[in-house]
Amino acid sequence: AQKVTQAQTEISVVEKEDVTLDCVYETRDTTYYLFWYKQPPSGELVFLIRRNSFDEQNEISGRYSWNFQKSTSSFNFTITASQVVDSAVYFCALSEGDKIIFGKGTRLHILP
Amino acid sequence: EAQVTQNPRYLITVTGKKLTVTCSQNMNHEYMSWYRQDPGLGLRQIYYSMNVEVTDKGDVPEGYKVSRKEKRNFPLILESPSPNQTSLYFCASSLRSDSSYEQYFGPGTRLTVT
Repeated sequence: AQKVTQAQTEISVVEKEDVTLDCVYETRDTTYYLFWYKQPPSGELVFLIRRNSFDEQNEISGRYSWNFQKSTSSFNFTITASQVVDSAVYFCALSEGDKIIFGKGTRLHILP
Repeated sequence: EAQVTQNPRYLITVTGKKLTVTCSQNMNHEYMSWYRQDPGLGLRQIYYSMNVEVTDKGDVPEGYKVSRKEKRNFPLILESPSPNQTSLYFCASSLRSDSSYEQYFGPGTRLTVT
């Protein structure tokens, strides 16, 4: 069975601090895809990144970066120099074949 | 504008009264899916569809039905709603017929069953 664990239920940091959101997954497949989504207070779900199981390169997009490590089954997300607009719930997700499993989410508070 | 639309956005109903939440996408996506979001439980997949007339159960399908008669539409049907189906529901679509591409989500439907 596939599973996605986001152990941090809620995190609060002061603006401009760096913060890392953890995601650990379980799967028996060799081919799978990992995603991060953002849900701001307005409620919509916004896609951030997609990574396949064969691509372990880290990715950086502005203040956002992602660290994918197959050896530890982790796909962590770091926000550098956080801003108040980063306050949201962040979901990690795993797709395997036709199904998608989401983690329970991490609620991030960026304090001004 | 490329989008996924859901209707209604808010619905309050009573136990046992059949209801349908519509979902439509204008991106010619093959994969469509329904999720429910509950506090502390994240998003859980209810049903998904890989293409027209092809649907399958997600992790929490009990009490729900779906159909995919046209590529653009994927309605969620609650034949006999119960209070434990009170939740925030999201429809999503994705380019390919499997789940390997990113999902585009609708705005959500908040359902209350009394």
